[in-house]
Amino acid sequence: DTGVSQNPRHKITKRGQNVTFRCDPISEHNRLYWYRQTLGQGPEFLTYFQNEAQLEKSRLLSDRFSAERPKGSFSTLEIQRTEQGDSAMYLCASSLGGGHVDTQYFGPGTRLTVL
Amino acid sequence: GQQVMQIPQYQHVQEGEDFTTYCNSSTTLSNIQWYKQRPGGHPVFLIQLVKSGEVKKQKRLTFQFGEAKKNSSLHITATQTTDVGTYFCAGPDDYKLSFGAGTTVTVRA
Repeated sequence: DTGVSQNPRHKITKRGQNVTFRCDPISEHNRLYWYRQTLGQGPEFLTYFQNEAQLEKSRLLSDRFSAERPKGSFSTLEIQRTEQGDSAMYLCASSLGGGHVDTQYFGPGTRLTVL
Repeated sequence: GQQVMQIPQYQHVQEGEDFTTYCNSSTTLSNIQWYKQRPGGHPVFLIQLVKSGEVKKQKRLTFQFGEAKKNSSLHITATQTTDVGTYFCAGPDDYKLSFGAGTTVTVRA
């Protein structure tokens, strides 16, 4: 399968713990995005990478959130000191980049439950 | 910032019937994209519309982009149980996408 992959698919954690999610984009895609989706809502943008550079962060991304894409390939999203409000589906997407029409392809997501 | 609104939020359809879901943006869009998310799944890209007034068809699905490039619609004919899911429209906001809240479709057999 050459699509976007995410690990783990599910994560249950206790409040206050740290969690880290991984995203592997489609191999030739240089843009990578993180979104968060809660029940009944569309995905909300969190952050975006062009190669290894993090170019934009949403105000939704508090100090407890950090994302990296060290070699311009896979990316990690870490949440420190998790809170119950962090429970959501975390979606990663990638796109080829270039041109004004740039389709984003989503991975299966990581569903986080904070107890 | 840019806001994308979708109506209706829920659509309950009898199998075989047609329905339409609508998407409106607060700003003019360079393009609009539609995604489908099955229950328990992730958003899957369906189509992208770029030109003013553009109409594209995918089998029983007809997508339209408004003349002012601020609204779009998805019309499904002869609804089938495979059409169940949530349909999202999304507009580009710089490099990211702004999604509507989606229209969740259920089908009565």
